[in-house]
Amino acid sequence: GENVEQHPSTLSVQEGDSAVIKCTYSDSASNYFPWYKQELGKRPQLIIDIRSNVGEKKDQRIAVTLNKTAKHFSLHITETQPEDSAVYFCAASPYTNAGKSTFGDGTTLTVKP
Amino acid sequence: DTGVSQNPRHKITKRGQNVTFRCDPISEHNRLYWYRQTLGQGPEFLTYFQNEAQLEKSRLLSDRFSAERPKGSFSTLEIQRTEQGDSAMYLCASSPLGKEGGAKNIQYFGAGTRLSVL
Repeated sequence: GENVEQHPSTLSVQEGDSAVIKCTYSDSASNYFPWYKQELGKRPQLIIDIRSNVGEKKDQRIAVTLNKTAKHFSLHITETQPEDSAVYFCAASPYTNAGKSTFGDGTTLTVKP
Repeated sequence: DTGVSQNPRHKITKRGQNVTFRCDPISEHNRLYWYRQTLGQGPEFLTYFQNEAQLEKSRLLSDRFSAERPKGSFSTLEIQRTEQGDSAMYLCASSPLGKEGGAKNIQYFGAGTRLSVL
């Protein structure tokens, strides 16, 4: 089955700095890679996703890059703000069934004002 | 309410008791998923339904776990003879059944039911 590893497990940055979270996956059949943000006590929410036929996708301050050959993908947050503080999860799945996602163990991001 | 709803939000039970959780997906979402999330880890896939059919179950889902979605709308997850290791957050998610290439593959999570087995 699929195995997703996520690093780092914790990340602390100063407000305004950039944050990068990296994930690797094992199953070459995975072709859909969503990223979720989960604030304390709240539900995971999709913040950005990418399909394997695309190398990079950007949405305002958030971007995701994918290296299909190396089987790794990364989340980039620029100009971080305190409200970006949360746990971020990467996931991998077949595109036709994103609900069968395999998740990483999460990265706790703390943005210091 | 247009979101995924889960009840109860919290459940405390004694070891050996049975518990049942309910998930109400977003209206007209064909697919419904159950996950389990323990502290410090990402959600782990348990099972999913397409309409009323349960199409896949994870090996994590022991015989003590059963899920139903009888009318293709809400779903229930029952745990029999609970064990302390069952303590976790149980998340439900739903998604519409979209065509390849569409945006409908996105899944929406509920707030979860936190189970504590004493």
